[in-house]
Amino acid sequence: GAGVSQSPSNKVTEKGKDVELRCDPISGHTALYWYRQSLGQGLEFLIYFQGNSAPDKSGLPSDRFSAERTGGSVSTLTIQRTQQEDSAVYLCASSLKSFSYEQYFGPGTRLTVT
Amino acid sequence: AQKITQTQPGMFVQEKEAVTLDCTYDTSDQSYGLFWYKQPSSGEMIFLIYQGSYDEQNATEGRYSLNFQKARKSANLVISASQLGDSAMYFCAMRGLISNFGNEKLTFGTGTRLTIIP
Repeated sequence: GAGVSQSPSNKVTEKGKDVELRCDPISGHTALYWYRQSLGQGLEFLIYFQGNSAPDKSGLPSDRFSAERTGGSVSTLTIQRTQQEDSAVYLCASSLKSFSYEQYFGPGTRLTVT
Repeated sequence: AQKITQTQPGMFVQEKEAVTLDCTYDTSDQSYGLFWYKQPSSGEMIFLIYQGSYDEQNATEGRYSLNFQKARKSANLVISASQLGDSAMYFCAMRGLISNFGNEKLTFGTGTRLTIIP
C-alpha cells in the first residue's frame, strides 16, 4: 500500500516568509510524528499527534513553529517568519497506534531558507 | 532523558565483509526499545531491526543482527556479508516502552555513514 507522503519535496524560501509542510500518513495510522534533520545531524523530535490532538509538543524549537492534524489524517507543519537556522530536512512518520514498535517515515521535505 | 551515542562518523568496508556499527545509550527507563534505521542517499528512513530491553535473545533480521549488551548499554548493529547497496547512513534510536508522556518519540544518534567498497 501507499507509504507516508510529504509535500513539497523541496522548498526554498526567503528569510521572514511563512512556509507550510504537508504530511499524509499511512491510511489508518493514528499516530503521527514530525522530526527535523539538520545537515550532518541525527533526527530531532518536534511534535507528536495521537488522532487530532498533540499530547507532546515539547520538541518545537520556538513559537514560530506550529502544527495541526485534521480528520486524524493529514498534518501540516507551519513555520512562521522563517530563519536561516530553520533550514533542514523535515521528516514525518506515522505508526498504527501510539507506542507501536515501528514508525514509518516519509521521504522528507528539504527546506532551504535564503 | 535518553541519549544515543554513535562514535563512528564514517566507515569503509570491503564488499562481502561483515561490519559492526557501534551504538551506546543512556536512559533511566527500565523498559525501553532500541532501533536501527538505514537512510540511503534518497533520504527515506528505513526500519531495520528492533530490540526490547527485556528480550533475552539478540534480535536478527536477515543479514542484520543486533548485539545487545545491556550491562554495557550497547546495541551494536552487525551486518553480515555486506553488499554495495548497504552504503548509507545508519541511525541508532531508542524510546521508552511504558506509555508515559515523552515515551512515544524516538531519540536518535548522529549516525554512521557506511561506505561499501567493491
